[in-house]
Amino acid sequence: AQSVTQLDSHVSVSEGTPVLLRCNYSSSYSPSLFWYVQHPNKGLQLLLKYTSAATLVKGINGFEAEFKKSETSFHLTKPSAHMSDAAEYFCVVRDNYGQNFVFGPGTRLSVLP
Amino acid sequence: GAGVSQTPSNKVTEKGKYVELRCDPISGHTALYWYRQSLGQGPEFLIYFQGTGAADDSGLPNDRFFAVRPEGSVSTLKIQRTERGDSAVYLCASSLAPGDTEAFFGQGTRLTVV
Repeated sequence: AQSVTQLDSHVSVSEGTPVLLRCNYSSSYSPSLFWYVQHPNKGLQLLLKYTSAATLVKGINGFEAEFKKSETSFHLTKPSAHMSDAAEYFCVVRDNYGQNFVFGPGTRLSVLP
Repeated sequence: GAGVSQTPSNKVTEKGKYVELRCDPISGHTALYWYRQSLGQGPEFLIYFQGTGAADDSGLPNDRFFAVRPEGSVSTLKIQRTERGDSAVYLCASSLAPGDTEAFFGQGTRLTVV
């Protein structure tokens, strides 16, 4: 069975400082991993995905994530936070043998001026 | 269409009533998913269609919930005898095929049972 843990329910950073949102997963098979962002009253938008190619994945809006199999982690980072990054972020796992997408509980990112 | 479309965007219903929520996936996407998102939580899987058939309905909470996709495109999520605990945002997503492709989500239907 697949599962996702997001270690922080809320992260607060100052504008211009780095962002780190942590994600650990459990998967029986080789997983695909995704980060989605959800702005208030908006739909879920894909930030980036890992699908067994390069372990360092670059996404939209300057975000990137690194797949570390030995640590079963897929942490999301950004060098410099912007006010518009304030949103809810979801780490998602999908087995390559599986069918559905399993979401983590989410991390709310606040960006302070 | 350009994206996944869900209607209605908001639905208020009385406890005990029947509701239908509609999802129009991206044209050509064979896989379709329904999720439920309660306030402050991540989306929870309900059911997955591959074509017309429900490939995995293990997430449906009980027999009051049912979903169909008769022609392999539009899907309807049906909830009978609604309860206040059914209040949530119901999300639909589609993807090109099973495998490593991402899912594209609609804006959701906010269901409120009063």
